[in-house]
Amino acid sequence: NAGVTQTPKFRVLKTGQSMTLLCAQDMNHEYMYWYRQDPGMGLRLIHYSVGEGTTAKGEVPDGYNVSRLKKQNFLLGLESAAPSQTSVYFCASSYYGAGTGELFFGEGSRLTVL
Amino acid sequence: KNEVEQSPQNLTAQEGEFITINCSYSVGISALHWLQQHPGGGIVSLFMLSSGKKKHGRLIATINIQEKHSSLHITASHPRDSAVYICAGNAGGTSYGKLTFGQGTILTVHP
Repeated sequence: NAGVTQTPKFRVLKTGQSMTLLCAQDMNHEYMYWYRQDPGMGLRLIHYSVGEGTTAKGEVPDGYNVSRLKKQNFLLGLESAAPSQTSVYFCASSYYGAGTGELFFGEGSRLTVL
Repeated sequence: KNEVEQSPQNLTAQEGEFITINCSYSVGISALHWLQQHPGGGIVSLFMLSSGKKKHGRLIATINIQEKHSSLHITASHPRDSAVYICAGNAGGTSYGKLTFGQGTILTVHP
């Protein structure tokens, strides 16, 4: 039982390049979230999904896109990376949702945009 | 002003000491999470509370919804407890569970 797995763990991009972060969970959770963590800012919600085929914007969605084609996977895409997107990205999942259920986090993906 | 405030921001303790980290929130919440993050590591959920008290090993979390306050206690602290502890509150009213995160408390436990 792997829990929540994020790939890749580390990535360096040049400004303007694109990439996709993959989050996979094997707990049959409906709710999945992408957060970014920056020094002094705490965790901020980028996008979330309440089930397969659904996605919605969080607090800081600009510059990111997401897809949830399969229940177990939640993809975060950067179409044209900018230095402001240098951050540590965390995926989380929950069976009942963060309002009433436990959250399970991935190990994080450290992205640097030069 | 952040809606969720943690105190202290930094905490240093000697092994074996009893530790308390506080979390206060300015808006009403229906549930609160306590999370742990080791340096350079991932985030682990310690507790999710909506009332009363929960205990897991040496960790105890309490919440008073009316007073808008939660505490995380660590008994018999150990150097492996050194980490950042984050509280996050859910005010309800959303289908997905919007969380407001505290800034975190950096705990260092010396042997």
